Amino acid sequence: GAVVSQHPSRVICKSGTSVKIECRSLDFQATTMFWYRQFPKQSLMLMATSNEGSKATYEQGVEKDKFLINHASLTLSTLTVTSAHPEDSSFYICSAMDRALTNYGYTFGSGTRLTVV
Amino acid sequence: EDKVVQSPLSLVVHEGDTVTLNCSYEVTNFRSLLWYKQEKKAPTFLFMLTSSGIEKKSGRLSSILDKKELSSILNITATQTGDSAIYLCAVVGPGTYKYIFGTGTRLKVLA
Repeated sequence: GAVVSQHPSRVICKSGTSVKIECRSLDFQATTMFWYRQFPKQSLMLMATSNEGSKATYEQGVEKDKFLINHASLTLSTLTVTSAHPEDSSFYICSAMDRALTNYGYTFGSGTRLTVV
Repeated sequence: EDKVVQSPLSLVVHEGDTVTLNCSYEVTNFRSLLWYKQEKKAPTFLFMLTSSGIEKKSGRLSSILDKKELSSILNITATQTGDSAIYLCAVVGPGTYKYIFGTGTRLKVLA
């Protein structure tokens, strides 16, 4: 089946610094990837849709200058949390779909737990 | 506004019990509904439902969609401790590949 690799799995950073999270589709091309945020004991909240070769589409209430998304190739999307603050601490997950496996929905990365201190 | 609601929010059962999780939705131009299981990290795919009344089964898990009632249920029979997880329901409409996730049901199965 389709595999999505996400790195790092865990990161601790100081307040004010930036953190980059990578999401790679393995063995398939993903023109579209999605970035989610999940708070403890809550569901997944869609942050933005990452489109290869074009600008990301952000959901209402998500600051595009705060959460920079780059989808430079068909297999890689990155999310950069800029000038991180403790309230940005959360679990971030990406997802992508292998168009050959549309009956299985999106495949999710393993997630990144960000802690800002 | 599109909305997906799951119930119960949490559930504690003993091994061997049968559980039924509910998902109801209000989504414009519904296309499909998916169930995922999330343990510690990434959600893993369970079922995709597009047609009403057709049950999908995988081992002890089964699910069915009722488009008239705008809902779906996920059944787990003979529960095991390994079934402990958050079960997420997601709905998607046509013309977009965005998933709208429900609130999730946190299931804990006690030995």
